[in-house]
Amino acid sequence: GQQLNQSPQSMFIQEGEDVSMNCTSSSIFNTWLWYKQDPGEGPVLLIALYKAGELTSNGRLTAQFGITRKDSFLNISASIPSDVGIYFCAGQSNYKLTFGKGTLLTVNP
Amino acid sequence: DGGITQSPKYLFRKEGQNVTLSCEQNLNHDAMYWYRQDPGQGLRLIYYSQIVNDFQKGDIAEGYSVSREKKESFPLTVTSAQKNPTAFYLCASTPGVGNQPQHFGDGTRLSIL
Repeated sequence: GQQLNQSPQSMFIQEGEDVSMNCTSSSIFNTWLWYKQDPGEGPVLLIALYKAGELTSNGRLTAQFGITRKDSFLNISASIPSDVGIYFCAGQSNYKLTFGKGTLLTVNP
Repeated sequence: DGGITQSPKYLFRKEGQNVTLSCEQNLNHDAMYWYRQDPGQGLRLIYYSQIVNDFQKGDIAEGYSVSREKKESFPLTVTSAQKNPTAFYLCASTPGVGNQPQHFGDGTRLSIL
């Protein structure tokens, strides 16, 4: 099956810093999704993007759906310790999701 | 509360044994999914079902089986044919219309004794 290219693989930052991560694909998707997963739990939806070029915010999180429909980025501003976790991008077409391998974020207080 | 319930949280399998993971949802969703997650990997699709009594193989269906006899339930059986079953298993569901995002349960961690 296809996979998305998600980068960076991991990040170690200081509290208060801004964070950016992105995903690219060789395939076009109808929807881009960003999830956060804490250890031992299921992924939780952060942001859903439905239109090419769409820029959407959810609190300190901002995500954009690329114009080509093949990429997306997620920004987190003013990071706090509870932002720690694994962030996944996912492209959705019809019923099926294709996931990136995740970005492990560590925030140093 | 509406949501997706997976059980058990932890499961151990002996060699040559089949085990079944439960997934129940009370969201009235038509579509349900099973994923496998390995360390450092994204989620990989095992099986999915868009409607009762119908299901399709995902990318890594070998060694697994499912049933969808009721709308709210989509159990996954890890058979003895799955030689590397140790993983975190996640169930998800969507209303089944358009591109509604998938929402996940809290997972079952399966280990080999």
